[in-house]
Amino acid sequence: KAGVTQTPRYLIKTRGQQVTLSCSPISGHRSVSWYQQTPGQGLQFLFEYFSETQRNKGNFPGRFSGRQFSNSRSEMNVSTLELGDSALYLCASSLGRTENNSPLHFGNGTRLTVT
Amino acid sequence: GQQVMQIPQYQHVQEGEDFTTYCNSSTTLSNIQWYKQRPGGHPVFLIQLVKSGEVKKQKRLTFQFGEAKKNSSLHITATQTTDVGTYFCAGLIKAAGNKLTFGGGTRVLVKP
Repeated sequence: KAGVTQTPRYLIKTRGQQVTLSCSPISGHRSVSWYQQTPGQGLQFLFEYFSETQRNKGNFPGRFSGRQFSNSRSEMNVSTLELGDSALYLCASSLGRTENNSPLHFGNGTRLTVT
Repeated sequence: GQQVMQIPQYQHVQEGEDFTTYCNSSTTLSNIQWYKQRPGGHPVFLIQLVKSGEVKKQKRLTFQFGEAKKNSSLHITATQTTDVGTYFCAGLIKAAGNKLTFGGGTRVLVKP
């Protein structure tokens, strides 16, 4: 079974630009969560999608948004990029929602650098 | 806000020795999950504990969930170089809207 696939692996953007990251979950998994990982802040929860609906959201500004498609694939968008958005963005899929004790299966992440 | 704290932040271990990393929450957790992230890799799920006082073992790793469901520990015996990585606990906090909140991680370095 293929794991969680994230594209692209690396991105370099400049301040003010926007970026879209893509995530394909494990086949059969219906929940997709996104996390931001930085050396200083660790793993910070962005949002969780299940059945094309955002089910939970972390404490990030509205510049961070996402969506999930009918095939469970998900995209995350960050608009008006800031230097502080430089991070590893991790997507994780699970069979069910995390509130139902479904463990997360992470992708390799997208390393975003904002200059 | 609700937080999940992990100590220590760094752990230097001599190969063959034991060590323990701890995870503490200010709020009762519905469950606790543990993940391992190798250098340059992504977090990989290790185990989940749900019941108060639960203890689970995976070979040399022993995981415990506290009686009050506010803390957890991971104990590794006879550390090997393959144990190198960062170990994260993640707690499901109902009071925070069922968000899975990660601790800061314990980075383990093994001295051969």
